[in-house]
Amino acid sequence: EDQVTQSPEALRLQEGESSSLNCSYTVSGLRGLFWYRQDPGKGPEFLFTLYSAGEEKEKERLKATLTKKESFLHITAPKPEDSATYLCAVQGGSNYKLTFGKGTLLTVNP
Amino acid sequence: KAGVTQTPRYLIKTRGQQVTLSCSPISGHRSVSWYQQTPGQGLQFLFEYFSETQRNKGNFPGRFSGRQFSNSRSEMNVSTLELGDSALYLCASSPGQVNEQYFGPGTRLTVT
Repeated sequence: EDQVTQSPEALRLQEGESSSLNCSYTVSGLRGLFWYRQDPGKGPEFLFTLYSAGEEKEKERLKATLTKKESFLHITAPKPEDSATYLCAVQGGSNYKLTFGKGTLLTVNP
Repeated sequence: KAGVTQTPRYLIKTRGQQVTLSCSPISGHRSVSWYQQTPGQGLQFLFEYFSETQRNKGNFPGRFSGRQFSNSRSEMNVSTLELGDSALYLCASSPGQVNEQYFGPGTRLTVT
């Protein structure tokens, strides 16, 4: 069964203090690894899809990378508006469902 | 393009009742998935429909069911509600099965 573990559970940063979020996964035949951002009371917002080890994607202050066992979401010089829960999910094998991690709650203080 | 819409946004039901939630996917998207989100369990997959056929089902009891219509709109039904069914129910759509999924705002169900 596919499994996703995200760490840390919560992260508090000062504005401008760069850091990384980790997503470790086990999946049979990775089809895609997805990063989402979720604000309180809202549905997850799609950020990135990564398909193979070595792939990288960037969007504004966010950069996602992928290895065979884990993915990192790097946040460069974060701003308070980057505060949210970041979710990682995998899709694998012949089952097209997304398996989500529990998320990392990021708080960026001004 | 309009995003995924879900109705109603909030719902309060009594234990033992049943409930139907509705989801309209992004225009042109044929795959619709449903998820349950709770603080303790996080996001858990319920089922996925593609062209009116249920392709995948998660580990939920038979009280949870769904369907998809020819216009790709989808409904999920929960019968004999239990207190533990209180959650945010999220619908997501994608163009095909191997694509990123786009989520709606969710329906917050409270069972009393």
